[in-house]
Amino acid sequence: SQTIHQWPATLVQPVGSPLSLECTVEGTSNPNLYWYRQAAGRGLQLLFYSVGIGQISSEVPQNLSASRPQDRQFILSSKKLLLSDSGFYLCAWSVLGQPEETQYFGPGTRLLVL
Amino acid sequence: LAKTTQPISMDSYEGQEVNITCSHNNIATNDYITWYQQFPSQGPRFIIQGYKTKVTNEVASLFIPADRKSSTLSLPRVSLSDTAVYYCLVGDSIGNMLTFGGGTRLMVKP
Repeated sequence: SQTIHQWPATLVQPVGSPLSLECTVEGTSNPNLYWYRQAAGRGLQLLFYSVGIGQISSEVPQNLSASRPQDRQFILSSKKLLLSDSGFYLCAWSVLGQPEETQYFGPGTRLLVL
Repeated sequence: LAKTTQPISMDSYEGQEVNITCSHNNIATNDYITWYQQFPSQGPRFIIQGYKTKVTNEVASLFIPADRKSSTLSLPRVSLSDTAVYYCLVGDSIGNMLTFGGGTRLMVKP
């Protein structure tokens, strides 16, 4: 069965500090990978998606970046965090070849920037 | 991009059937309709997906009229544990599900 892991679960960082959130998927090959952010009390916003190693598409301009160094690893980074980066970050995967593209989500990382 | 509109919140009581409707007036031919459930501090969980007519699984039913401009998620006999936010998404491939929207906050009362 497929599983998706995210860490850390929670993170408190000062403004201006760097960020690295990691997501890994097990039990599937060549998944589509996604990073979402959810601000408090709001819906999910797609930040990045990837169809393969080294292939990253960004949906919104921001001070965040993403990388996919391995097939089942997706990393969200920032060089300098802003207060507005606080939120709940979710990684998700889906399987190529299925027209409906159901997405499966990880447990999330709660980030608080102070 | 097909945007969706849902009620912000709904209240219900245990044992009742709950119907949450989502509007997606500019749904494209290739778009599927997917519903997710999200509990606080957790990632969304897939509930059901459909293209047209009716789909039923062990958790819910999804009703889609012929024009596909709306869909209704039906939860039979809800319990307290069904209290969550329910999101309706429309899309067919990467990048088409840009924003989940605010979802519908369902509160089930005893």
